[in-house]
Amino acid sequence: DTAVSQTPKYLVTQMGNDKSIKCEQNLGHDTMYWYKQDSKKFLKIMFSYNNKELIINETVPNRFSPKSPDKAHLNLHINSLELGDSAVYFCASSQEQGRNSPLHFGNGTRLTVT
Amino acid sequence: EDKVVQSPLSLVVHEGDTVTLNCSYEVTNFRSLLWYKQEKKAPTFLFMLTSSGIEKKSGRLSSILDKKELFSILNITATQTGDSAVYLCAVTIKAAGNKLTFGGGTRVLVKP
Repeated sequence: DTAVSQTPKYLVTQMGNDKSIKCEQNLGHDTMYWYKQDSKKFLKIMFSYNNKELIINETVPNRFSPKSPDKAHLNLHINSLELGDSAVYFCASSQEQGRNSPLHFGNGTRLTVT
Repeated sequence: EDKVVQSPLSLVVHEGDTVTLNCSYEVTNFRSLLWYKQEKKAPTFLFMLTSSGIEKKSGRLSSILDKKELFSILNITATQTGDSAVYLCAVTIKAAGNKLTFGGGTRVLVKP
């Protein structure tokens, strides 16, 4: 029944490793997003995909690479993890990009880099 | 650069009190303002506001937008302990994508 689901919920890893976070939505939405929430609770957009096409790519290091195999999935791969990558990563989806449709968020993946 | 500022940063109230949260913004080509409630996990959608002066209401929560003065308020009346959360304000602009620019949030603690 979960609308936007992310895995894993928690991820603890060492600096330099490569890791992936998966996201799936069953709402039939066209647009999916990745947001990063730092320790001060600021949510900042990283990427947005509409129907598998990259729409928004904020100033994110190219160690972060999103992949959208279909419009219901948006995965995030991170290479050469750094301490500063520790944060909660939220996946979200919305019905239409460019319109007034609210985002629905997943429960987040807490990434800790040691 | 687009900016969204929320105040206060945090507040503590007792059950039954009324709280008013503020959100001011400076963006070009404003499209909408959204309020979210974040407890332990996912932010959950509360309201979307696009027009000035029209109050949106859901139970004990209500919100209004002033596009001239560039702010919105979120009111919670007769607060309950379950209202304890971080309340996030976000703005979208008329540009490609549905990007939300978030404020830093207001942490509300409702004591019994």
